[in-house]
Amino acid sequence: GDSVTQMEGPVTLSEEAFLTINCTYTATGYPSLFWYVQYPGEGLQLLLKATKADDKGSNKGFEATYRKETTSFHLEKGSVQVSDSAVYFCALTSRNTDKLIFGTGTRLQVFP
Amino acid sequence: DAGVTQSPTHLIKTRGQQVTLRCSPKSGHDTVSWYQQALGQGPQFIFQYYEEEERQRGNFPDRFSGHQFPNYSSELNVNALLLGDSALYLCASSPSGVGGEAFFGQGTRLTVV
Repeated sequence: GDSVTQMEGPVTLSEEAFLTINCTYTATGYPSLFWYVQYPGEGLQLLLKATKADDKGSNKGFEATYRKETTSFHLEKGSVQVSDSAVYFCALTSRNTDKLIFGTGTRLQVFP
Repeated sequence: DAGVTQSPTHLIKTRGQQVTLRCSPKSGHDTVSWYQQALGQGPQFIFQYYEEEERQRGNFPDRFSGHQFPNYSSELNVNALLLGDSALYLCASSPSGVGGEAFFGQGTRLTVV
């Protein structure tokens, strides 16, 4: 069945460092891809999305590009802040369904 | 706009008991989905309700059931609780036809002892 694989965390960075969190997927057809973020004590928030190959989703300085050839949707940010510390989830929805399939999450810790 | 609200926020139950969790969707949203998030894991889809009917279901036993009311709010019921049912239960709402762009509540932390 469809699945999402994320790099294991925690990812520990200093403020203003470059961030990459890897995400690859397995799906039949052409899924939509998402990054959700979960701040401590809160529910998940949609960070960005891409619905077709080569689309780039972006929000709050974060970006991810839908790469069909490598089945990847890596999350990047050029300069992280302490306030970016959270758990990041890569997810997909298959065609004809809006059921979200999540990866296991990657914890990001940013230190001043 | 209050967003998605869930109640209660925390709950402790004994093995074998039954529990009901509640969710009010974001204003204007008619579709409600429930997810189970075990500690350190990603959320797992339980089921989705639209127009008061269960539209999709994940790989969860029949002990997990739900309901959606005419005002789009929803309940998740779990019978015969097991220790393994301890988790954060998340409710997500979305407008129909907008796949994946779900708004999540803060969740209900269920502990089964």
